[in-house]
Amino acid sequence: GQSLEQPSEVTAVEGAIVQINCTYQTSGFYGLSWYQQHDGGAPTFLSYNALDGLEETGRFSSFLSRSDSYGYLLLQELQMKDSASYFCAVRPVDTGRRALTFGSGTRLQVQP
Amino acid sequence: DAEITQSPRHKITETGRQVTLACHQTWNHNNMFWYRQDLGHGLRLIHYSYGVQDTNKGEVSDGYSVSRSNTEDLPLTLESAASSQTSVYFCASSESGMEQETQYFGPGTRLLVL
Repeated sequence: GQSLEQPSEVTAVEGAIVQINCTYQTSGFYGLSWYQQHDGGAPTFLSYNALDGLEETGRFSSFLSRSDSYGYLLLQELQMKDSASYFCAVRPVDTGRRALTFGSGTRLQVQP
Repeated sequence: DAEITQSPRHKITETGRQVTLACHQTWNHNNMFWYRQDLGHGLRLIHYSYGVQDTNKGEVSDGYSVSRSNTEDLPLTLESAASSQTSVYFCASSESGMEQETQYFGPGTRLLVL
C-alpha cells in the first residue's frame, strides 16, 4: 500500500523560506509530484521529481530522496498569494494505475 | 484553450436520491479520474477510466458509478445519496504515455446531502 505523511499546517512570514516535508511508505512509485490548492479552488500541478535530487522552478524547488523515503517542497521569497494547501502525490508502480495517491495536505499560512 | 469543466458547481440533494455530476474535458486526454476531498483526508480516488468503455474502481467507490461513452465525458453517479457523501468532488484528466502524467483538475462540485 501507499501512505504519504505531511504536516497539517505551517505558518511563515512574507519574504521568508519555508519547507514542507512529505514522508512516504510505498512499495514503489514513478515519481513524487506536488500540487497547490487555494481555498475554494482546484489542485494545480507545481513540480515533479522523477529522480533523487533537487528540481527548481522559479521560487519553488522540490527534493526527493528515495533511499530516505522523503521529499520536500521549498518555497522561497514567500508572498501572500502562496497561502494555500500543498499536497504531495505519487503514482504507484504496483497497482498499474495512472491515478495519484495524495498526502493529506499541508496548509500554509503566510503572514505579513 | 483546452479545459476541464464540472457541473453543477453546487448541489443540494436529499438522502436516497440519485445524483449525477458531470465532467467534460477538451484536452483529448484518455485518462479521467474522480476524487472526493474531505477535511483531513486529502483527495481520495473514487473511479477512473483509461478510455472509452473502460472504467475502474478506486479506494472509495462504494455507492458511486461512472460510465465512459466518449473521450470527453466521465459522469459520476451517486446511486442513492447518503449524508456520508457530502463532500467536494473533483474530476481530473491526464495524458497517457508520459511517466509524469500531470493531472489537470476541474473546478470541483460541492455536494450537500441532507
